[in-house]
Amino acid sequence: GENVEQHPSTLSVQEGDSAVIKCTYSDSASNYFPWYKQELGKRPQLIIDIRSNVGEKKDQRIAVTLNKTAKHFSLHITETQPEDSAVYFCAARQGGGYSTLTFGKGTMLLVSP
Amino acid sequence: EAQVTQNPRYLITVTGKKLTVTCSQNMNHEYMSWYRQDPGLGLRQIYYSMNVEVTDKGDVPEGYKVSRKEKRNFPLILESPSPNQTSLYFCASSSGYGYTFGSGTRLTVV
Repeated sequence: GENVEQHPSTLSVQEGDSAVIKCTYSDSASNYFPWYKQELGKRPQLIIDIRSNVGEKKDQRIAVTLNKTAKHFSLHITETQPEDSAVYFCAARQGGGYSTLTFGKGTMLLVSP
Repeated sequence: EAQVTQNPRYLITVTGKKLTVTCSQNMNHEYMSWYRQDPGLGLRQIYYSMNVEVTDKGDVPEGYKVSRKEKRNFPLILESPSPNQTSLYFCASSSGYGYTFGSGTRLTVV
């Protein structure tokens, strides 16, 4: 099955800095890569996703890049703010339709004012 | 409002006492899934369902049961809970891409 590795496990930055979280996946057939943000005590929420036919996607301060050859994808957050502090999960999905998402173990991002 | 509703939010129970965590979605999604979240281990899938009467094991199914008699409901059943099932549980549904998660159920088994 699919295996997703996520790094780093914790990340501390100063407000205004950029933050990058990296994930690798094992199955070259995976074709969908979402990112979830989980604030303390809350449910994970989808913040951005990318499909395998796209190399980069951007939404305001958040961007995701995908390198299919190397089987890795990254989340980039620019101009970080304290409200960006949360746990971020990457995920990968094999196949199409209703195939299961396999999640990374998460990155705790702390943005200090 | 489109949502996934889980109940209860918090539950403390004793070893061996059967319990059910309910999950309901109002988005007509065919795919539903249960995950448990433990510190340092991320989200691990317990069971999933691609449609009514179709369920399959995830990565950590031992000690759990599910059923999918209706499209909207996907209850998680612990027939004989043990302390190692103390965890935060999330139900999720999907129309094919991203998941919508429920609010979570924090279960403590003593």
